[in-house]
Amino acid sequence: EVHLVESGGGLIQPGGSLRLSCAASGFTFSSSWMHWVRQAPGKGLLWVSSIDHYGGAMTYADSVKGRFTISRDNAKNTLYLQMNSLSGEDTAVYYCARAWSGTYYMDVWGRGTTVSVSS
Amino acid sequence: EIVLTQSPATLSLSPGERATLSCRASQSVSSHLAWYQQKPDQAPRLLIYDASNRATGIPARFSGSGSGTDFTLTVSSLEPDDFAFYYCQQRFNWPPTFGGGTKLEIK
Repeated sequence: EVHLVESGGGLIQPGGSLRLSCAASGFTFSSSWMHWVRQAPGKGLLWVSSIDHYGGAMTYADSVKGRFTISRDNAKNTLYLQMNSLSGEDTAVYYCARAWSGTYYMDVWGRGTTVSVSS
Repeated sequence: EIVLTQSPATLSLSPGERATLSCRASQSVSSHLAWYQQKPDQAPRLLIYDASNRATGIPARFSGSGSGTDFTLTVSSLEPDDFAFYYCQQRFNWPPTFGGGTKLEIK
């Protein structure tokens, strides 16, 4: 069965850093583009970042560019999101998702990990 | 970036009724639009891709239509499990964007 499990969320002070992880199983992770999507409390979905299957091409939403870094370890079947200079606007549930057929659609999602930025 | 506007914000219907949800794009996205369902405290689920194609395992009562700027998600006969939030998403232009969502609630 295909699974994505996020971890690493928590309560962090403004200006702090967090590293999220997403463990993949049940599919060939090294062949899949991957995405991070977030959802602020009571709000809709916002695409954050994507990475190709090799880890050589990354894209970011303007709101996180220069602060967040997406990466992957195909040997460990794990996706990462390094988040720096966090602010209250980054408070959200962060989902990792598999790209459908190498596109910006998402066909498999994790259950999410919650990031709360507050002093 | 392309803005997707979903309507109505809330749709109140009874089981067995037909649901029609709308998504309008600020510029053409051709047929590169998807629909997702999200239940409270759950991850989204891909329902429809490229405007009218059902994703794997999605029941036939869900259908999508449209192209260009106007799209529709139809649920032909609502079942209790269908009451949830629904989001559209475009992949035609970078960055990929989502609509604000429609809450489908039990009347």
